[in-house]
Amino acid sequence: NSKVIQTPRYLVKGQGQKAKMRCIPEKGHPVVFWYQQNKNNEFKFLINFQNQEVLQQIDMTEKRFSAECPSNSPCSLEIQSSEAGDSALYLCASSPHRAPEVFFGKGTRLTVV
Amino acid sequence: AQKVTQTQTSISVMEKTTVTMDCVYETQDSSYFLFWYKQTASGEIVFLIRQDSYKKENATVGHYSLNFQKPKSSIGLIITATQIEDSAVYFCAMREQNTGYQNFYFGKGTSLTVIP
Repeated sequence: NSKVIQTPRYLVKGQGQKAKMRCIPEKGHPVVFWYQQNKNNEFKFLINFQNQEVLQQIDMTEKRFSAECPSNSPCSLEIQSSEAGDSALYLCASSPHRAPEVFFGKGTRLTVV
Repeated sequence: AQKVTQTQTSISVMEKTTVTMDCVYETQDSSYFLFWYKQTASGEIVFLIRQDSYKKENATVGHYSLNFQKPKSSIGLIITATQIEDSAVYFCAMREQNTGYQNFYFGKGTSLTVIP
């Protein structure tokens, strides 16, 4: 069973509303990823962190999306003004230091109505 | 360009038989990692198995094994003695070592249905 905890599992927002989701990575995993999976099963990388520092993020993330991984608190991904196209499964994953694989949480399914 | 390609969109097999899912990848790195993940109907994604590019032996975990053909840039997943609960979408993924903590490249998935 996944040890990456994502909340909430389901999120319904109106267009223009903020949407915030949280992730607790597996204990001892310093690297955290956020992905968006669309209805065609395609994964889109959004951002990743090592400890609390951003390693990489895509342009989309820099505009309406914000994310952070503060120490001693859950990581979070927030969409400032939700759009219909943001409806997707948002997946958080974490990775042990120097290990190649990542381990996913169960995801937050966002529906923007 | 697609870095990881899964050409089979869906497969159906009878329970207790063996199934192979195909995956080809593209990379210029000399060192890389290949993975298979399973996504259940609930959306949960589970890590199944990994192949390191420098290893010649095919990885095996439980009833999952890999057919790694490096010259063909191919990494097939073999599931033996399939069970109903193996019905899921299977994703092939690649991570290049020399790019550090780079994001993964995922294929588009193969949907497996195991028929009782």
